[in-house]
Amino acid sequence: AQKVTQAQTEISVVEKEDVTLDCVYETRDTTYYLFWYKQPPSGELVFLIRRNSFDEQNEISGRYSWNFQKSTSSFNFTITASQVVDSAVYFCALSEAGGSARQLTFGSGTQLTVLP
Amino acid sequence: GAGVSQSPSNKVTEKGKDVELRCDPISGHTALYWYRQSLGQGLEFLIYFQGNSAPDKSGLPSDRFSAERTGGSVSTLTIQRTQQEDSAVYLCASSARRTGEAFFGQGTRLTVV
Repeated sequence: AQKVTQAQTEISVVEKEDVTLDCVYETRDTTYYLFWYKQPPSGELVFLIRRNSFDEQNEISGRYSWNFQKSTSSFNFTITASQVVDSAVYFCALSEAGGSARQLTFGSGTQLTVLP
Repeated sequence: GAGVSQSPSNKVTEKGKDVELRCDPISGHTALYWYRQSLGQGLEFLIYFQGNSAPDKSGLPSDRFSAERTGGSVSTLTIQRTQQEDSAVYLCASSARRTGEAFFGQGTRLTVV
């Protein structure tokens, strides 16, 4: 069975600080996909990134970066120089490619509050 | 618009009534998902449609819940004899491939009173 754990329920930082959101996953598949989504107060889930299990290259997109480590089954997300607009709930998710169930399994989310 | 559309955006219903929630996926997307998000909780998978394959219903919490997808496009989630614990935001998503990024609608907030 697949499982995603986001141990940080809430994080509060002051604007311009860097912040890392942790994500640990469990899966028996060798091929899988990892995702991060942002849910601002408006409620809509916004796709941020999708990563294939065979691609362990870290990725940077502007102020966002992701650290994928298969050895520790982690896919952490760092926001550099945080801004108030980054305040949202962030979800990490996993999709197995080899099994019969191809739904996304989400973590419980991390509420990030960036204070001015 | 070109995104996933859900209706209604809000629904208040009396306990015991049936409700239908609608999802219009992005045109051409073959995969469609329904999730439920209870207050302060993460997303709970309900059901998954992929093309003409039999849907994966493994996440449906009880036999009061059902969903269909007509013509490989629009989907309807039906909850019969609603209970107060069914109150949640019901989110629909679609993707172009089985493991591609899923695009979410804004959800239907269901309140059972």
